[in-house]
Amino acid sequence: DTGVSQDPRHKITKRGQNVTFRCDPISEHNRLYWYRQTLGQGPEFLTYFQNEAQLEKSRLLSDRFSAERPKGSFSTLEIQRTEQGDSAMYLCASSVQGVYGYTFGSGTRLTVV
Amino acid sequence: GQQLNQSPQSMFIQEGEDVSMNCTSSSIFNTWLWYKQDPGEGPVLLIALYKAGELTSNGRLTAQFGITRKDSFLNISASIPSDVGIYFCAGLSMNRDDKIIFGKGTRLHILP
Repeated sequence: DTGVSQDPRHKITKRGQNVTFRCDPISEHNRLYWYRQTLGQGPEFLTYFQNEAQLEKSRLLSDRFSAERPKGSFSTLEIQRTEQGDSAMYLCASSVQGVYGYTFGSGTRLTVV
Repeated sequence: GQQLNQSPQSMFIQEGEDVSMNCTSSSIFNTWLWYKQDPGEGPVLLIALYKAGELTSNGRLTAQFGITRKDSFLNISASIPSDVGIYFCAGLSMNRDDKIIFGKGTRLHILP
């Protein structure tokens, strides 16, 4: 297992378009987290899954954002009707429940033009 | 909401110098974590601390979990060029066992 994998690494999209990102966690990790990071800031929590169940969503996650983890393995994060303020690095992390040193992927950098 | 305050925001040091940075919170934390992030990459875990007073080393890095449970520090000894990057503290509060929150980072620059 090579770690947490995110795809794509970079995405440039026009305002108003929909985008979807994928995250493949470490296979034995049952928890998967999405964070967003803007320039000069630390990562901010968006949502997390335990297996296929989405257990918490941040207030940062507006109704234009949706995340899924259908089979408890990979996860997708979709942003509908993108806005310039959505430009950020979207980070995925995974862990085993009870272990808090998450392993992060390399992120997907989204630029909305 | 909960916030972690990291200081300093940035540091400029000479290669070979020791570095110290810290992180404070207004609330009690159960776990403190230190991550390093290189440009264009995700954060990489350096050290995890789980008990108040715990002092843990990882090579040239040493971190401590403060006795009050509201702070932590990270020291880097004999800095080298590859230490350049952003160092984040992160923590898990007593009230939330499900997600960690991050500070805003300390950006380390090393002068040749």
